[in-house]
Amino acid sequence: SYELTQPPSVSVSPGQTARITCSGEALPKKYAYWYQQKPGQAPVLVIYKDTERPSGIPERFSGSSSGTTVTLTITGVQAEDEADYYCQSVDSTGTGVFGTGTKVTV
Amino acid sequence: QVQLQESGPGLVKPSETLSLTCTVSGGSISGYYWSWIRQPPGEGLEWIGYIYHSGSTNYNPSLKSRVTISLATSVNQISLKVSSVTAADTAVYYCARGEWLQRGEYYFDYWGQGTLVTVSS
Repeated sequence: SYELTQPPSVSVSPGQTARITCSGEALPKKYAYWYQQKPGQAPVLVIYKDTERPSGIPERFSGSSSGTTVTLTITGVQAEDEADYYCQSVDSTGTGVFGTGTKVTV
Repeated sequence: QVQLQESGPGLVKPSETLSLTCTVSGGSISGYYWSWIRQPPGEGLEWIGYIYHSGSTNYNPSLKSRVTISLATSVNQISLKVSSVTAADTAVYYCARGEWLQRGEYYFDYWGQGTLVTVSS
């Protein structure tokens, strides 16, 4: 089955830049989407179609893509950005797939 | 503003059927792919399946034999049934609205708050 691999954790100081990677064989042909999940809450979409930011999401969140890896970048990290982050894509059969998740510690 | 609310029993016995309902308010079911997603305690997200407003469905192959998703458009509800449950089905279950892209992909722009279902005797 198709897998999306993320680092388990990323630690960053306030004001610095956090980069979270997501690797998957099909990512050169499929979009990636990113979700932020804080403890006890539902996930929130922060990036769609690799690089697009939904309305209401701060500009410090950005996405990029290169080959089999997509990256979520948080520029000028704030304490409120401490959360779990998941990438998501769709495989060739239309099955939704989530990444393994990355815990960002500020 | 679209809102989704999951409801159903919080405790299900092993081998029985888990049944949940998602009620959509503030918007129509039409035109979207409605998914169920679950998250075992302390673990990651797992996509269960989706249903389109036409009634077409697609399920995660790992759960396909036990899962049924259905629609009640007149009352803006999406239902999930998982049969023959075990402790491994213990999770927070979310419903989510899927935004479909023409290239056959989708992402989730609205989520319910989730409901914890525990499988235990």
